[in-house]
Amino acid sequence: RKEVEQDPGPFNVPEGATVAFNCTYSNSASQSFFWYRQDCRKEPKLLMSVYSSGNEDGRFTAQLNRASQYISLLIRDSKLSDSATYLCVVNGDTPLVFGKGTRLSVIA
Amino acid sequence: EAQVTQNPRYLITVTGKKLTVTCSQNMNHEYMSWYRQDPGLGLRQIYYSMNVEVTDKGDVPEGYKVSRKEKRNFPLILESPSPNQTSLYFCASSSIGGWTEAFFGQGTRLTVV
Repeated sequence: RKEVEQDPGPFNVPEGATVAFNCTYSNSASQSFFWYRQDCRKEPKLLMSVYSSGNEDGRFTAQLNRASQYISLLIRDSKLSDSATYLCVVNGDTPLVFGKGTRLSVIA
Repeated sequence: EAQVTQNPRYLITVTGKKLTVTCSQNMNHEYMSWYRQDPGLGLRQIYYSMNVEVTDKGDVPEGYKVSRKEKRNFPLILESPSPNQTSLYFCASSSIGGWTEAFFGQGTRLTVV
């Protein structure tokens, strides 16, 4: 089983929609969790950290469920500029384990 | 400005001709890593380093070498490149442990013909 798994998508949603991504991880000893955003063929950049208590930043909400070993990202009121690939990242014994990413296309 | 610098950004080479892609960071990070990204396969880790003179294989190390003689530099070496190493390569660095952000270089697009 891969360490970090994500639904690759693509998710095609209209502007204004709410969309949610999930990511599961296999190492129960993982310590910290992140969502990164990657625009086409560019370097990934940190979107937000995922704390045990959850984390909200404007239209973006990230949640962690340690018992079920998954993290989620919710995007409300999607904008065209949200179109990108969203990468789930887990830090454990091996730093920076990436999921394959979930592609989001927001359509006008 | 905190940054990870990769060079070159673009490279076309021929099979078998040794090449090095350089990676340098100015944040005094202990951890550095190389990834390759291919369509449909996501970011796959090639090698990583937890500190100077400490390197480990990632998921796809075959055909690559690395070295970490100084903290700031982590070059990726292809001794005898082959067409299946045509890919987009990223170098990343971070501190170790906790809620530390990883910083990426801008990527190197390598084509081996």
